[in-house]
Amino acid sequence: GQQLNQSPQSMFIQEGEDVSMNCTSSSIFNTWLWYKQDPGEGPVLLIALYKAGELTSNGRLTAQFGITRKDSFLNISASIPSDVGIYFCAGSESNFGNEKLTFGTGTRLTIIP
Amino acid sequence: GAVVSQHPSRVICKSGTSVKIECRSLDFQATTMFWYRQFPKQSLMLMATSNEGSKATYEQGVEKDKFLINHASLTLSTLTVTSAHPEDSSFYICSASYRGRGTDTQYFGPGTRLTVL
Repeated sequence: GQQLNQSPQSMFIQEGEDVSMNCTSSSIFNTWLWYKQDPGEGPVLLIALYKAGELTSNGRLTAQFGITRKDSFLNISASIPSDVGIYFCAGSESNFGNEKLTFGTGTRLTIIP
Repeated sequence: GAVVSQHPSRVICKSGTSVKIECRSLDFQATTMFWYRQFPKQSLMLMATSNEGSKATYEQGVEKDKFLINHASLTLSTLTVTSAHPEDSSFYICSASYRGRGTDTQYFGPGTRLTVL
């Protein structure tokens, strides 16, 4: 099936650093979502974006819905140990996030002591 | 927030047996449930979409006779892996959504780890 391309594939950073990752698609999505997945668990929603150009924050997290509707980025400021995990973007062709989702390839975040 | 549970959390079975995985929405009625499969270090791949009271819609390449989905009520969907083989070993995750909640989204279960020996 179709997948969204995320970059980078993995990141190794020090605690306190800012993180930036992005997600691109060859087709348009009307809703973009960012999830975090810890090992052996299901994804947890971080931020949902419903309008092209929208910039939304959730604590130290900020995400933007690209104006072309084919991309999105997620920034994490001042990283802390609990930020470790895999981050997935997901796109929906519907105007809501409660429809079929296409997931990105994931970005694995590791914090170096 | 909304809670979705899955049972069992992990299961080990012999090749050729069938395994049933349950997905329940605990505090809302889910008109639609989705089943995903995730292989190690890979992304989630949608297997099928399940609407209450109707047949599931399977994604291309997913065998409907092998992965039986039943969405008998607004709070329960089941995935049965029939005649399981080692290549079916994976992490199976369900999600549940309620159409009409505005700009809401779908809520994911904690996943079920299936190991077929």
